Amino acid sequence: QVQLVQSGAEVKKPGASVKVSCKVSGYTLTEISMHWVRQAPGKGLEWMGGFDPEDVKTIYAQSFQGRVTMTEDTSTDTAYMELSSLRSEDTALYYCAITSPFYRVPRWFDPWGQGTLVTVSS
Amino acid sequence: QSVLTQPPSVSAAPGQKVTISCSGSTSNIGNNYVSWYQQLPGTAPKLLIYENNKRPSGIPDRFSGSKSGTSATLGITGLQTGDEADYYCGTWDSSLSVWVFGGGTKLTVL
Repeated sequence: QVQLVQSGAEVKKPGASVKVSCKVSGYTLTEISMHWVRQAPGKGLEWMGGFDPEDVKTIYAQSFQGRVTMTEDTSTDTAYMELSSLRSEDTALYYCAITSPFYRVPRWFDPWGQGTLVTVSS
Repeated sequence: QSVLTQPPSVSAAPGQKVTISCSGSTSNIGNNYVSWYQQLPGTAPKLLIYENNKRPSGIPDRFSGSKSGTSATLGITGLQTGDEADYYCGTWDSSLSVWVFGGGTKLTVL
């Protein structure tokens, strides 16, 4: 059974960067497709991007292009999401979530990490 | 404004049935699989329904999903107080090349 464990809460100043980690157990990163979703306080879910197994590259939502980088360390089965040029509107819970690598586009996300709260405040 | 439209809230009494709608377009629901997620207060989302109408192992058959054209529906029967949560639909949007979620529906079990 796959489990995702994320790094702890972060407090950052506007303009800084944050890097959130997501440790996979039960499977290896090469057996899954990792994605990231965020949720601002009291708001809905917003997909940020994830791995495209057909083109073997990471795809990003347009709204995060140029500010987000998603990487993977297969030696430790840990995925990372780095968001730069932080602003107050980036204050949110950031979730990693996985889907099957057998389909070009995601069909579902299961399971999800526990979430990492990133607070951007001066 | 979410690409997928859900009612902000629904409510029903314990033991009753409720449905939550999710409306989209041909570029998303119309041509891709829909999944549904339950988010209990203070917890991460949990997969309830995938590929329109399939239940993951461990999800009771009180939960069901269906899709018709550019709309999808989540049904919950035998409502329990523990079902109080936010529910989200989601699917791939082939025109935008992004995964999209509905705005979420808060279920209250009166």
